[in-house]
Amino acid sequence: DTGVSQDPRHKITKRGQNVTFRCDPISEHNRLYWYRQTLGQGPEFLTYFQNEAQLEKSRLLSDRFSAERPKGSFSTLEIQRTEQGDSAMYLCASSSYRPDTGELFFGEGSRLTVL
Amino acid sequence: KNEVEQSPQNLTAQEGEFITINCSYSVGISALHWLQQHPGGGIVSLFMLSSGKKKHGRLIATINIQEKHSSLHITASHPRDSAVYICAAPPRVSNFGNEKLTFGTGTRLTIIP
Repeated sequence: DTGVSQDPRHKITKRGQNVTFRCDPISEHNRLYWYRQTLGQGPEFLTYFQNEAQLEKSRLLSDRFSAERPKGSFSTLEIQRTEQGDSAMYLCASSSYRPDTGELFFGEGSRLTVL
Repeated sequence: KNEVEQSPQNLTAQEGEFITINCSYSVGISALHWLQQHPGGGIVSLFMLSSGKKKHGRLIATINIQEKHSSLHITASHPRDSAVYICAAPPRVSNFGNEKLTFGTGTRLTIIP
């Protein structure tokens, strides 16, 4: 397994356009997390899945944001009608649902720039 | 939400120095994470610990659950240790300690040769 992969790594878009990011977690991990990180700040929690169920969403996730994890494998994060404030690094992480191995494995992130 | 604070925000040291980064949090938790982020964005998990001390190579992490405080130490620091070090805590005591983490703003460490 090659770890958590995210695609695309970089996305430049114009305000008002829709963008979609994909995350492929480590195959045996059943938990998947999305975080957002702006320059100089630590990551902020957006949402997480256990298998295909979206268990929690942050209030940061406005109605323009939607995340899915069909079949409990890869996940997508879609942002509709992008705004300049959406410019950030979108990070995906996965972990196994076990109390002794809760280590998080992060992808390289998808950097979004909204012009 | 767990409030997570780190200190210092920036740290510059000479190669070989012993480094300490501190993290405090406001809500009792079952485990805390230490992470490393290099320029370009990639984040690597260093430790997840719930009590006492863990050691991996030149890195040591300690936690005092009662005092809600954790430290990350680097012995014999090297320029390749230069990175941002971030601690993260879940919102409450939980079974697994890794959901809905609150991250500190990070400590930017620079080791000068």
